[in-house]
Amino acid sequence: SAVISQKPSRDICQRGTSLTIQCQVDSQVTMMFWYRQQPGQSLTLIATANQGSEATYESGFVIDKFPISRPNLTFSTLTVSNMSPEDSSIYLCSVYGTRDRASYGYTFGSGTRLTVV
Amino acid sequence: DAKTTQPPSMDCAEGRAANLPCNHSTISGNEYVYWYRQIHSQGPQYIIHGLKNNETNEMASLIITEDRKSSTLILPHATLRDTAVYYCIVKDAGNKLTFGGGTRVLVKP
Repeated sequence: SAVISQKPSRDICQRGTSLTIQCQVDSQVTMMFWYRQQPGQSLTLIATANQGSEATYESGFVIDKFPISRPNLTFSTLTVSNMSPEDSSIYLCSVYGTRDRASYGYTFGSGTRLTVV
Repeated sequence: DAKTTQPPSMDCAEGRAANLPCNHSTISGNEYVYWYRQIHSQGPQYIIHGLKNNETNEMASLIITEDRKSSTLILPHATLRDTAVYYCIVKDAGNKLTFGGGTRVLVKP
């Protein structure tokens, strides 16, 4: 399966600031996704990162709060803007589809643990 | 999107088979069932997926009922390292995975 490098692995940020999380994949992938996992909860899909165009956001998530870029088939960023303590979560990158057609599962990064103080 | 229903938690004995049920009664004919697990503080790990037929790999077996309204993930010989939250997910037409609450599995010695 694809290997995902997600950075940073964790951060502690001041409220009102922004943090950009990077997701780098070792092979070209068809689809990239961003998830949020609040403490003790399941994963919630934030958006699908589209290569060369605006991301597709799920209900409850907006571009102004979570701007996403995907300049090519192996890289994407998620920014958490104007942070508040309620944004404290684990943010995960996920990819689907690789050139190795035997890799048909979705792969997840190890996540970015964000604490807003 | 087809929703899944799983028991919130279950215990199983080390060395025994663990059978994890999942209901997905609104699944469409071309939607796949995926199983993932999440061990504490890690990203979800792929286990297995299937459409109609039963599937087996080195980690687990997936049994899908003939009407496809439910499935069971079988861990043949549970170990302590299998303690995790297990998610049953139906992949929608947009190729998105929507996670439900999952089943918290505790393997006991």
